[in-house]
Amino acid sequence: NAGVTQTPKFRILKIGQSMTLQCAQDMNHNYMYWYRQDPGMGLKLIYYSVGAGITDKGEVPNGYNVSRSTTEDFPLRLELAAPSQTSVYFCASSVRGEKLFFGSGTQLSVL
Amino acid sequence: QKEVEQDPGPLSVPEGAIVSLNCTYSNSAFQYFMWYRQYSRKGPELLMYTYSSGNKEDGRFTAQVDKSSKYISLFIRDSQPSDSATYLCAMSAEKGGSEKLVFGKGTKLTVNP
Repeated sequence: NAGVTQTPKFRILKIGQSMTLQCAQDMNHNYMYWYRQDPGMGLKLIYYSVGAGITDKGEVPNGYNVSRSTTEDFPLRLELAAPSQTSVYFCASSVRGEKLFFGSGTQLSVL
Repeated sequence: QKEVEQDPGPLSVPEGAIVSLNCTYSNSAFQYFMWYRQYSRKGPELLMYTYSSGNKEDGRFTAQVDKSSKYISLFIRDSQPSDSATYLCAMSAEKGGSEKLVFGKGTKLTVNP
């Protein structure tokens, strides 16, 4: 039981490039989330999903896209990367409720 | 006024000290309060969960909620170097409202041996 697995752990992008952050969970959780964490700024919700085929925007969705084709996977797509997207990205999952299980994060730099 | 305020620290204490971590909030609708612990370069993990006002104890950790003052606290007794981490408070108005969680910015704690 690996929990929530995120790949890659680190990535450097050039401005304007695109990439997909991968997230997979093996706990059969319906809810999945993407957060970003900037230094001294706490966690901000980007997108979330309540089940396969259902996604919704969080607090800071601009510049990102998501899809949820299976219960296990919830990839986050960055199109036309900008320096403002430099951050640490966390994927999380839960059975509906407040106990979120987080992955170890992806540290992304856009230069 | 921000919805959730948390002093970022850093806070440095000697091993064995009692640590008090705090958050204040402005939204009186918040009823569910959590503390997450985040080790360096790791994701947060849920440490304590409380509903409404009162205290909850789990080993060396006590979570306290004072809704009248809109103030929550986490106390760590007999602090250990392994408690060194960033502690994030989080809260929501709805049970099961995980998509509406509001996080504090986190307090970085170092416990020195």
